[in-house]
Amino acid sequence: GDSVTQMEGPVTLSEEACLTINCTYTATGYPSLFWYVQYPGEGLQLLLKATKADDKGSNKGFEATYRKETTSFHLEKGSVQVSDSAVYFCALSGNNAGNMLTFGGGTRLMVKP
Amino acid sequence: GAVVSQHPSWVICKSGTSVKIECRSLDFQATTMFWYRQFPKQSLMLMATSNEGSKATYEQGVEKDKFLINHASLTLSTLTVTSAHPEDSSFYICSAPFGTQYFGPGTRLLVL
Repeated sequence: GDSVTQMEGPVTLSEEACLTINCTYTATGYPSLFWYVQYPGEGLQLLLKATKADDKGSNKGFEATYRKETTSFHLEKGSVQVSDSAVYFCALSGNNAGNMLTFGGGTRLMVKP
Repeated sequence: GAVVSQHPSWVICKSGTSVKIECRSLDFQATTMFWYRQFPKQSLMLMATSNEGSKATYEQGVEKDKFLINHASLTLSTLTVTSAHPEDSSFYICSAPFGTQYFGPGTRLLVL
């Protein structure tokens, strides 16, 4: 079945440091890939997505590129802020938008001033 | 963008009681909604798929008699935790697709 693997946290960084959270997946066909963010005490919010190979999703300074050859969708940000502290989930879904999401285990990011 | 709401956001109940959680799509219709459970510091685990007009589809290991799902309309799905016990304490999140998946803010359940 489909699966998503992402690096375990927590990841602790100083403000303005570079961030990379690795995510790899296993799926049949051509899934869509997502990054969701969960701030403390809140529900999940879609951060960015990519629906086909070589697509780059971007939002709020975060980027991730759909790499089919390496089955990866690593999340990157050049300069993190304290407000980026949250849990980040990599996820995939089948081609049908109604399909369920398969989530990675989540990576907690803590940014210190 | 599309909005999904959940009610209540917090619930504390005594062991043995039943708790109903509502999930509503506020500005779009959803024939399918998904219910997830999240334990502290863990990922979301899909519990079931709620289908408007038909029975819910439960994931392996999820007791359908314990977690009753009713998709009453195209904008409302309810999850009822029957005879709740402390081990049912968790964060329950629903989602509905509208181009992409939109998540509700979650309902935190604490069973004493």
